[in-house]
Amino acid sequence: NAGVTQTPKFQVLKTGQSMTLQCAQDMNHEYMSWYRQDPGMGLRLIHYSVGAGITDQGEVPNGYNVSRSTTEDFPLRLLSAAPSQTSVYFCASSYSSSGSGTGELFFGEGSRLTVL
Amino acid sequence: AQSVSQHNHHVILSEAASLELGCNYSYGGTVNLFWYVQYPGQHLQLLLKYFSGDPLVKGIKGFEAEFIKSKFSFNLRKPSVQWSDTAEYFCAVNARGGTALIFGKGTTLSVSS
Repeated sequence: NAGVTQTPKFQVLKTGQSMTLQCAQDMNHEYMSWYRQDPGMGLRLIHYSVGAGITDQGEVPNGYNVSRSTTEDFPLRLLSAAPSQTSVYFCASSYSSSGSGTGELFFGEGSRLTVL
Repeated sequence: AQSVSQHNHHVILSEAASLELGCNYSYGGTVNLFWYVQYPGQHLQLLLKYFSGDPLVKGIKGFEAEFIKSKFSFNLRKPSVQWSDTAEYFCAVNARGGTALIFGKGTTLSVSS
């Protein structure tokens, strides 16, 4: 059972380039989310999805796009990378039942992105 | 909007010392509460969680946390820390019926042997 798989683990971009961070889970979780982790800032929610075809913005959505065409996949797109987007990105998923919130989150191993 | 405040940015302890990490949240309704741990170079793992019932919850590796509703707090405790507890600890809150899990800024725990 792979859990939550993120690719790539490391990426270096130049300012203005675009890229997609991939996230896949094999636990049939309805809820998926993307966080960025920065020193002293904890984890901040970028976007999340409560099911295929449904996405919503988190705390820091600017500069990022997401889509959810299947239950398993939740890619995060950087449209035009900026140095401020240098961070470690975590994808997470959980079983979500109506009325009980997100429940326990299962995290991927992270993607370290550097924007020059 | 929900928010989570962790009082200590960096805690330094000797082995066998007792630990208490503070966590307060701001949300007036019913919440689910979590503590996650991130060991150096690893991803986050669930330490313990509170959904309802007994406000004193026990997690893995001897950790426990107490939910005090009147204080909007969910402090993490361990009677005797070990060197292997060196990690970053995150408190998180989710509004019951909501969909977003909001994290605090984290507390780095360094345990010296």
